[in-house]
Amino acid sequence: EVQLVESGGGLVKPGGSLRLSCAASGFTFSNAWMSWVRQAPGKGLEWVGRIKSKTDGGTTDYAAPVKGRFTISRDDSKNTLYLQMNSLKTEDTAVYYCTHWSSSGQKGAFDIWGQGTMVTVSS
Amino acid sequence: DIQMTQSPSSLSASVGDRVTITCRASQSISSYLNWYQQKPGKAPKLLIYAASSLQSGVPSRFSGSGSGTDFTLTISSLQPEDFATYYCQQSYSTPPVFGPGTKVDIK
Repeated sequence: EVQLVESGGGLVKPGGSLRLSCAASGFTFSNAWMSWVRQAPGKGLEWVGRIKSKTDGGTTDYAAPVKGRFTISRDDSKNTLYLQMNSLKTEDTAVYYCTHWSSSGQKGAFDIWGQGTMVTVSS
Repeated sequence: DIQMTQSPSSLSASVGDRVTITCRASQSISSYLNWYQQKPGKAPKLLIYAASSLQSGVPSRFSGSGSGTDFTLTISSLQPEDFATYYCQQSYSTPPVFGPGTKVDIK
Protein backbone atom coordinates (compact mmCIF):
# COMPACT_ATOMS: atom_id res chain seq x y z
CA GLU A 1 0.00 0.00 0.00
CA VAL A 2 1.27 3.41 -0.96
CA GLN A 3 1.51 5.51 2.19
CA LEU A 4 2.99 8.66 3.66
CA VAL A 5 2.93 9.11 7.44
CA GLU A 6 3.98 12.42 9.00
CA SER A 7 5.10 12.91 12.58
CA GLY A 8 6.77 15.54 14.72
CA GLY A 9 4.13 18.23 14.91
CA GLY A 10 3.28 20.06 18.11
CA LEU A 11 3.25 23.34 19.99
CA VAL A 12 6.32 25.56 19.77
CA LYS A 13 7.03 29.14 20.82
CA PRO A 14 7.78 31.86 18.28
CA GLY A 15 11.44 31.77 17.36
CA GLY A 16 11.65 28.07 18.15
CA SER A 17 12.45 25.07 15.98
CA LEU A 18 10.73 21.83 15.05
CA ARG A 19 11.55 18.92 12.76
CA LEU A 20 8.86 17.02 10.92
CA SER A 21 9.36 13.54 9.50
CA CYS A 22 7.50 11.68 6.78
CA ALA A 23 7.83 7.92 6.45
CA ALA A 24 7.14 6.62 2.95
CA SER A 25 6.16 3.14 1.85
CA GLY A 26 4.73 1.35 -1.16
CA PHE A 27 6.78 3.13 -3.81
CA THR A 28 10.45 3.68 -4.70
CA PHE A 29 11.18 6.62 -2.43
CA SER A 30 14.68 7.19 -3.74
CA ASN A 31 13.32 8.01 -7.21
CA ALA A 32 10.64 10.39 -5.94
CA TRP A 33 10.42 14.14 -5.94
CA MET A 34 8.83 15.03 -2.60
CA SER A 35 7.20 18.19 -1.31
CA TRP A 36 5.71 19.68 1.82
CA VAL A 37 2.38 21.52 1.53
CA ARG A 38 0.75 23.35 4.43
CA GLN A 39 -2.72 24.58 5.30
CA ALA A 40 -3.33 27.23 7.93
CA PRO A 41 -6.54 26.79 9.96
CA GLY A 42 -9.53 27.60 7.76
CA LYS A 43 -7.33 28.58 4.83
CA GLY A 44 -6.22 27.13 1.50
CA LEU A 45 -3.24 25.05 0.45
CA GLU A 46 0.26 26.51 0.29
CA TRP A 47 3.30 24.78 -1.16
CA VAL A 48 6.24 24.96 1.24
CA GLY A 49 9.07 23.38 -0.69
CA ARG A 50 10.40 20.44 -2.66
CA ILE A 51 13.38 18.10 -2.86
CA LYS A 52 14.28 16.29 -6.04
CA SER A 53 15.59 12.75 -6.16
CA LYS A 54 19.35 12.32 -5.84
CA THR A 55 19.34 11.04 -9.41
CA ASP A 56 17.99 14.41 -10.47
CA GLY A 57 20.47 16.32 -8.32
CA GLY A 58 18.77 16.20 -4.92
CA THR A 59 18.26 19.97 -5.02
CA THR A 60 15.66 21.87 -3.05
CA ASP A 61 13.29 24.76 -3.77
CA TYR A 62 11.33 26.76 -1.23
CA ALA A 63 8.40 29.12 -1.10
CA ALA A 64 9.35 32.72 -0.41
CA PRO A 65 7.75 32.88 3.09
CA VAL A 66 9.94 30.02 4.39
CA LYS A 67 13.15 30.41 2.41
CA GLY A 68 16.15 30.71 4.73
CA ARG A 69 14.19 29.34 7.70
CA PHE A 70 13.04 25.89 6.55
CA THR A 71 15.20 23.06 5.20
CA ILE A 72 13.97 19.94 3.43
CA SER A 73 16.14 16.83 3.45
CA ARG A 74 15.79 13.14 2.77
CA ASP A 75 17.25 9.85 3.93
CA ASP A 76 16.69 7.36 1.14
CA SER A 77 18.06 4.51 3.28
CA LYS A 78 15.18 5.09 5.70
CA ASN A 79 12.56 6.10 3.11
CA THR A 80 12.06 9.27 5.12
CA LEU A 81 11.55 12.93 4.26
CA TYR A 82 12.27 15.72 6.72
CA LEU A 83 11.29 19.34 7.22
CA GLN A 84 13.50 21.31 9.61
CA MET A 85 11.71 24.46 10.65
CA ASN A 86 13.69 27.22 12.39
CA SER A 87 12.84 30.76 13.50
CA LEU A 88 9.18 29.80 13.57
CA LYS A 89 6.54 32.51 13.35
CA THR A 90 2.89 32.50 14.39
CA GLU A 91 1.95 32.57 10.71
CA ASP A 92 3.64 29.16 10.27
CA THR A 93 0.79 27.59 12.26
CA ALA A 94 -0.74 25.02 9.94
CA VAL A 95 -1.29 21.38 9.12
CA TYR A 96 1.79 20.22 7.24
CA TYR A 97 1.31 17.57 4.55
CA CYS A 98 4.02 15.42 3.04
CA THR A 99 3.32 14.82 -0.67
CA HIS A 100 4.67 12.77 -3.57
CA TRP A 101 5.14 14.48 -6.95
CA SER A 102 3.92 12.27 -9.76
CA SER A 103 6.80 12.86 -12.15
CA SER A 104 10.55 13.39 -12.11
CA GLY A 105 10.10 16.72 -13.75
CA GLN A 106 8.47 20.10 -13.35
CA LYS A 107 5.15 19.09 -14.82
CA GLY A 108 3.31 16.64 -12.59
CA ALA A 109 0.85 16.57 -9.70
CA PHE A 110 0.71 15.85 -5.98
CA ASP A 111 -0.69 12.34 -6.28
CA ILE A 112 0.01 10.94 -2.81
CA TRP A 113 -0.63 12.81 0.43
CA GLY A 114 0.04 12.02 4.05
CA GLN A 115 -2.59 12.54 6.73
CA GLY A 116 -0.91 15.74 7.91
CA THR A 117 0.65 16.86 11.17
CA MET A 118 -0.36 20.01 13.05
CA VAL A 119 2.19 22.65 13.94
CA THR A 120 1.11 25.40 16.31
CA VAL A 121 3.37 28.38 16.91
CA SER A 122 2.21 30.30 19.94
CA SER A 123 3.57 31.85 23.11
CA ASP B 1 4.88 33.75 -9.60
CA ILE B 2 1.80 32.61 -11.49
CA GLN B 3 -1.42 33.56 -9.70
CA MET B 4 -4.46 31.30 -9.68
CA THR B 5 -8.07 32.37 -9.15
CA GLN B 6 -11.22 30.27 -8.82
CA SER B 7 -14.88 31.04 -9.19
CA PRO B 8 -17.18 30.85 -7.48
CA SER B 9 -15.62 30.78 -4.03
CA SER B 10 -18.58 28.73 -2.85
CA LEU B 11 -21.75 27.26 -4.24
CA SER B 12 -24.79 25.42 -3.02
CA ALA B 13 -26.11 22.53 -5.06
CA SER B 14 -28.41 19.55 -4.82
CA VAL B 15 -27.70 15.88 -5.37
CA GLY B 16 -27.95 15.19 -9.08
CA ASP B 17 -27.02 18.73 -10.14
CA ARG B 18 -24.37 19.45 -12.74
CA VAL B 19 -21.67 21.58 -11.13
CA THR B 20 -19.00 23.64 -12.88
CA ILE B 21 -16.02 25.31 -11.20
CA THR B 22 -13.70 27.67 -13.05
CA CYS B 23 -9.99 28.26 -12.53
CA ARG B 24 -7.96 31.00 -14.19
CA ALA B 25 -4.18 31.44 -14.36
CA SER B 26 -2.47 34.83 -14.53
CA GLN B 27 -0.51 33.68 -17.60
CA SER B 28 -0.66 30.76 -19.98
CA ILE B 29 0.12 27.43 -18.36
CA SER B 30 -0.67 25.25 -21.38
CA SER B 31 -2.45 22.17 -19.94
CA TYR B 32 -0.44 21.99 -16.71
CA LEU B 33 -3.38 22.25 -14.37
CA ASN B 34 -4.45 19.84 -11.64
CA TRP B 35 -7.62 19.57 -9.55
CA TYR B 36 -7.91 18.31 -5.98
CA GLN B 37 -10.82 17.52 -3.67
CA GLN B 38 -10.57 18.05 0.08
CA LYS B 39 -13.10 17.00 2.69
CA PRO B 40 -13.07 18.49 6.21
CA GLY B 41 -10.28 17.13 8.36
CA LYS B 42 -8.81 15.09 5.49
CA ALA B 43 -5.87 15.43 3.15
CA PRO B 44 -6.52 16.63 -0.39
CA LYS B 45 -7.03 14.02 -3.10
CA LEU B 46 -5.92 14.34 -6.71
CA LEU B 47 -8.88 14.19 -9.11
CA ILE B 48 -7.66 15.50 -12.47
CA TYR B 49 -4.13 16.06 -13.79
CA ALA B 50 -2.89 17.73 -16.94
CA ALA B 51 -6.20 19.60 -17.21
CA SER B 52 -8.31 16.68 -18.41
CA SER B 53 -6.81 13.34 -17.34
CA LEU B 54 -8.77 11.45 -14.71
CA GLN B 55 -6.67 10.11 -11.83
CA SER B 56 -6.98 6.37 -11.32
CA GLY B 57 -9.93 5.45 -9.14
CA VAL B 58 -11.74 8.76 -9.54
CA PRO B 59 -15.38 8.43 -10.71
CA SER B 60 -16.10 9.35 -14.31
CA ARG B 61 -18.64 12.00 -13.27
CA PHE B 62 -15.61 14.24 -12.72
CA SER B 63 -14.10 15.83 -15.80
CA GLY B 64 -11.72 18.66 -16.58
CA SER B 65 -11.17 20.86 -19.58
CA GLY B 66 -9.31 23.94 -20.74
CA SER B 67 -5.88 25.14 -21.73
CA GLY B 68 -3.90 28.34 -21.66
CA THR B 69 -5.36 30.42 -18.86
CA ASP B 70 -8.94 29.15 -18.43
CA PHE B 71 -9.92 25.79 -17.00
CA THR B 72 -13.07 24.04 -15.81
CA LEU B 73 -13.86 21.20 -13.43
CA THR B 74 -17.28 19.64 -14.01
CA ILE B 75 -19.18 17.20 -11.85
CA SER B 76 -21.88 15.78 -14.12
CA SER B 77 -24.24 14.57 -11.40
CA LEU B 78 -23.39 15.65 -7.88
CA GLN B 79 -23.33 12.84 -5.32
CA PRO B 80 -23.54 13.15 -1.51
CA GLU B 81 -19.85 12.29 -1.17
CA ASP B 82 -18.87 15.15 -3.50
CA PHE B 83 -19.63 17.89 -1.01
CA ALA B 84 -16.15 19.22 -0.38
CA THR B 85 -13.72 21.98 -1.26
CA TYR B 86 -12.03 21.87 -4.66
CA TYR B 87 -8.64 23.39 -5.49
CA CYS B 88 -6.88 23.92 -8.78
CA GLN B 89 -3.07 23.99 -8.95
CA GLN B 90 -0.68 24.94 -11.73
CA SER B 91 2.31 22.71 -12.45
CA TYR B 92 3.78 24.83 -15.24
CA SER B 93 6.42 26.51 -13.12
CA THR B 94 7.87 26.76 -9.61
CA PRO B 95 6.27 27.55 -7.21
CA PRO B 96 3.32 25.22 -7.86
CA VAL B 97 0.57 27.59 -6.77
CA PHE B 98 -2.90 26.49 -5.67
CA GLY B 99 -6.10 28.37 -6.29
CA PRO B 100 -8.03 29.67 -3.26
CA GLY B 101 -10.59 26.88 -3.40
CA THR B 102 -14.28 26.45 -4.15
CA LYS B 103 -16.51 25.05 -1.41
CA VAL B 104 -19.43 22.95 -2.63
CA ASP B 105 -22.14 22.48 -0.05
CA ILE B 106 -25.67 21.16 0.14
CA LYS B 107 -28.53 23.37 -0.97
